[in-house]
Amino acid sequence: QKEVEQNSGPLSVPEGAIASLNCTYSDRGSQSFFWYRQYSGKSPELIMFIYSNGDKEDGRFTAQLNKASQYVSLLIRDSQPSDSATYLCASPHAGGTSYGKLTFGQGTILTVHP
Amino acid sequence: DVKVTQSSRYLVKRTGEKVFLECVQDMDHENMFWYRQDPGLGLRLIYFSYDVKMKEKGDIPEGYSVSREKKERFSLILESASTNQTSMYLCATREQGNYEQYFGPGTRLTVT
Repeated sequence: QKEVEQNSGPLSVPEGAIASLNCTYSDRGSQSFFWYRQYSGKSPELIMFIYSNGDKEDGRFTAQLNKASQYVSLLIRDSQPSDSATYLCASPHAGGTSYGKLTFGQGTILTVHP
Repeated sequence: DVKVTQSSRYLVKRTGEKVFLECVQDMDHENMFWYRQDPGLGLRLIYFSYDVKMKEKGDIPEGYSVSREKKERFSLILESASTNQTSMYLCATREQGNYEQYFGPGTRLTVT
């Protein structure tokens, strides 16, 4: 049973719009979440980390965590073509082992068209 | 900056061959991970290691083994490659006490 679910998309938005990426999770014990960005043919890179309810902003990116509803989202404001990538949601493994295993969602493919 | 390197970017092997994928990191991180990535399935954990000579199975260990003789090197072994092991393989490292994982460039393996 997959613990982290994402809409695989693809999601297409026009340049300058807000892109909204969503992730739901099944383990109520999950405390924190990561958003990784992966360009085509490249490896994932961490762009956001959130561990408390509410919003966390970093430049054009805002991560939102709602523990009661068990979802986490990533908003990208003023989307640019360079934001076109696959976005992966990840959570430390159920049980919070000290070895930091991450469970990843399937990824959402985002395309920002000019 | 953390540097994680993988021995090959592209690899083509035949069914039944023994395949070695190497991962080397230069940041003295304790934890190392091997994932495979397939379209629509995201990253799935194959094996991880939390210290030299220590290893644990991930979610999909069947058909794979690993070796970690030195802290900086973590090897993934396909004992007898099969076509369903055609995939992108990603190595990652993590510093103890920090959840962030750093990924290598990946090895795209094709088994024919």
